[in-house]
Amino acid sequence: AQSVAQPEDQVNVAEGNPLTVKCTYSVSGNPYLFWYVQYPNRGLQFLLKYITGDNLVKGSYGFEAEFNKSQTSFHLKKPSALVSDSALYFCAVRPGGTGFQKLVFGTGTRLLVSP
Amino acid sequence: DTEVTQTPKHLVMGMTNKKSLKCEQHMGHRAMYWYKQKAKKPPELMFVYSYEKLSINESVPSRFSPECPNSSLLNLHLHALQPEDSALYLCASSQESRGSPNEQFFGPGTRLTVL
Repeated sequence: AQSVAQPEDQVNVAEGNPLTVKCTYSVSGNPYLFWYVQYPNRGLQFLLKYITGDNLVKGSYGFEAEFNKSQTSFHLKKPSALVSDSALYFCAVRPGGTGFQKLVFGTGTRLLVSP
Repeated sequence: DTEVTQTPKHLVMGMTNKKSLKCEQHMGHRAMYWYKQKAKKPPELMFVYSYEKLSINESVPSRFSPECPNSSLLNLHLHALQPEDSALYLCASSQESRGSPNEQFFGPGTRLTVL
C-alpha cells in the first residue's frame, strides 16, 4: 500500500530565506506525486506534480520540487519565502497504472514565514 | 472556468435534520470526489464518481448519500448525522480518475457543524 510521510509538523522560516518542506513516499511501481497548499478555512490548491521526466518540477507561485527516486523523496522548495506563503502544505502520492488509484495524502506541514 | 464551487459555505444542523451539500464544476471533468477533513488533518476520501457513476465508496456510513445528477453537479445528502461528523467537506474534480495522473481541483469546502 502506498504511503506518504511529512516528517515535520511545522517549518519556520524568515521572509526572504529559502524554504524546504520535506516529503518521502512509499509506493509500488512508478509514483505520481503532488503538492497542494491549503489556506485557513479553504480548499486545497494544486501547486505542482511529478509524473515523469525531469526530476525538478516547477509549479505555481515560485515553488518547485525535486523528485529523488533513490531516496523516495519529493521535497518542496522555494528560493525566497514570502509571509503570504504561510499555510498548510500537503504532499500526496498515487501509484501509476490503470484503474482507479486513490490519492494518498501526507499528514501536512504547517509553514510559518515570519516578517 | 477553472473553479469548483460549493454551497453552502457553512452549515449547522441537528442530528435529526436532513440537509444537502452541493458542488459544481464547469471544467468538463468526468471524475468528482467527496472528501472529509478534520482540523489539521489530511482530507479523507469518501466517494468517487466517474462518468456520473459511483465508482468508489470508502465504507462511508449510509447517513451520507452521494448523488451525481449530471456531469457538472455533485450532491451529498446528509441525514441523522452525529456530532463527530462535524468537519470540512471538500468536493474535488479531475479530468478522469482511472489510471491518469491528472491533478484534482478542490472547492473551498462546506464547514459542517452537527449539534
